[in-house]
Amino acid sequence: GAVVSQHPSRVICKSGTSVKIECRSLDFQATTMFWYRQFPKQSLMLMATSNEGSKATYEQGVEKDKFLINHASLTLSTLTVTSAHPEDSSFYICSATLGPPGDTQYFGPGTRLTVL
Amino acid sequence: KQEVTQIPAALSVPEGENLVLNCSFTDSAIYNLQWFRQDPGKGLTSLLLIQSSQREQTSGRLNASLDKSSGRSTLYIAASQPGDSATYLCAADTGTASKLTFGTGTRLQVTL
Repeated sequence: GAVVSQHPSRVICKSGTSVKIECRSLDFQATTMFWYRQFPKQSLMLMATSNEGSKATYEQGVEKDKFLINHASLTLSTLTVTSAHPEDSSFYICSATLGPPGDTQYFGPGTRLTVL
Repeated sequence: KQEVTQIPAALSVPEGENLVLNCSFTDSAIYNLQWFRQDPGKGLTSLLLIQSSQREQTSGRLNASLDKSSGRSTLYIAASQPGDSATYLCAADTGTASKLTFGTGTRLQVTL
């Protein structure tokens, strides 16, 4: 089956630093990748939609200058949390789809970010 | 704006029981409805995907139904096992760039 990986799985950083999270589709080329954020005991909230070679589309309320998304290839998307603050601490999950809209999304294992 | 609600928020059942998880959505113009499983601190595992033209999907002990007109979906788990303990999330796909709107989940615990 389609496998999506994320790296790192956990990261702890100091306030004010930037953190990069990678999302890779291991055995398929993803036409679209998605980034979600999940706060404790809450559901997943879509942050942005990313297509290879084009700018990401951000959801309302998500700061594009704070959450930088780069989708350099059909198998790799990165999310950089710039100038991280404690309120950015969350579980970040990516997903990837290889088909047209409505196709199954395959989710990565998530990255736990803790900002001190 | 699509809103997805799941009831109950938490459920505890003894092993062997059949159970039903409920999901409701406000906008019936969906492309599909998906059910996922999430173990603590982990990502999501896709369980079932029901296209808007379908009424139900089955996989092993799992059966998901979809009633678009009433904005409801149910996930039926037969003969529950302790290994089924997890949070179950439903998500509605509006079809616009495959955006998924997730419910808040049902935390299931199956006890011995």
